[in-house]
Amino acid sequence: SQQGEEDPQALSIQEGENATMNCSYKTSINNLQWYRQNSGRGLVHLILIRSNEREKHSGRLRVTLDTSKKSSSLLITASRAADTASYFCATDKGGSEKLVFGKGTKLTVNP
Amino acid sequence: NAGVMQNPRHLVRRRGQEARLRCSPMKGHSHVYWYRQLPEEGLKFMVYLQKENIIDESGMPKERFSAEFPKEGPSILRIQQVVRGDSAAYFCASSPTTVSYNEQFFGPGTRLTVL
Repeated sequence: SQQGEEDPQALSIQEGENATMNCSYKTSINNLQWYRQNSGRGLVHLILIRSNEREKHSGRLRVTLDTSKKSSSLLITASRAADTASYFCATDKGGSEKLVFGKGTKLTVNP
Repeated sequence: NAGVMQNPRHLVRRRGQEARLRCSPMKGHSHVYWYRQLPEEGLKFMVYLQKENIIDESGMPKERFSAEFPKEGPSILRIQQVVRGDSAAYFCASSPTTVSYNEQFFGPGTRLTVL
């Protein structure tokens, strides 16, 4: 099964609302990252949170990490239509390790 | 500083042909990773290379797939005798020579369609 599993699989909200996506994983990690992918495009790195961090902010993004529950959440505040994309969490065990991705949450922000 | 470059962006092959996908990492990056993405799925790791060395190929199918990252030039992912199930988006990522934390920078991908 996937190391990273996002939920919900799909989320549809109105512009201006907040969007929360969750990610759970199974084994110990060093880092957890969130990426965005617009339809048919490559991945854009959003934010990285290390296993010894609990919360991180970047602009309208807020990421939390709970290593005891093996879960993370991505909050996008004051969403915009341009935030419409798929969002993936990816974990690694440190160093130059491969990233293990979940299946993603497909976010639609309606104008 | 240009980002990770991949070409071609789209590739169409008939069953049984060979597909060659190229990836040029960011300047100063010597670690290259290849991932495959099936429709509506997340990315799956295939192989991790450094210059002239395959470090981890645990995600690579044992047959028909090979990868290299020569001393000069781009990294190449080669798929021989393609089948319809190889149709997917193939992404390359690179990370810096000195890895303080594992942020990987992704290219735009090559979308392979096998007819």
